[in-house]
Amino acid sequence: GDSVTQMEGPVTLSEEAFLTINCTYTATGYPSLFWYVQYPGEGLQLLLKATKADDKGSNKGFEATYRKETTSFHLEKGSVQVSDSAVYFCASNTGNQFYFGTGTSLTVIP
Amino acid sequence: DVKVTQSSRYLVKRTGEKVFLECVQDMDHENMFWYRQDPGLGLRLIYFSYDVKMKEKGDIPEGYSVSREKKERFSLILESASTNQTSMYLCAILDREANYGYTFGSGTRLTVV
Repeated sequence: GDSVTQMEGPVTLSEEAFLTINCTYTATGYPSLFWYVQYPGEGLQLLLKATKADDKGSNKGFEATYRKETTSFHLEKGSVQVSDSAVYFCASNTGNQFYFGTGTSLTVIP
Repeated sequence: DVKVTQSSRYLVKRTGEKVFLECVQDMDHENMFWYRQDPGLGLRLIYFSYDVKMKEKGDIPEGYSVSREKKERFSLILESASTNQTSMYLCAILDREANYGYTFGSGTRLTVV
């Protein structure tokens, strides 16, 4: 069945460091791929998405490219800020149901 | 933008109580979902609904039921709360305007004592 695997955390970075959070998926069809972010005490918010191979999703300085050949959707940001501290979830969707990774906690220190 | 509202941010209930978690959306979306979120386990689907009076079991339906009498409201029911149901509960809708991404409510943190 479908599934999503993302790198385990927690991840701690200094401000302005480069961020990569790895995500790979398995799917029987052609899923849409998403990154969600959860700030402390809140629900999940959509960060970015890509709906087909080679699409790049981007938002708030974050980017992820849908790589069909490696079944990956890695999240990157060139220069993280303290305000980026949150839990990040990778997800796939084929049809009506989503499959989530277990989340990666990011802490950015000044 | 669609708004998904969960009625309570924090709840404390006693073991054996019947607990209702409410979720309301302000648009005409058909698909609504209930997840629970636990550390190290990510999000796990409890129940979902495609339309009024329709419900489908997710991956972990045991100990839960749902009700969807009106399109905008999807309720999660813990028939007899137990301590292992202490968790963060998240409601979501499938948002057509967001390329069929989820829009989530802000969550209800339930503690069963």
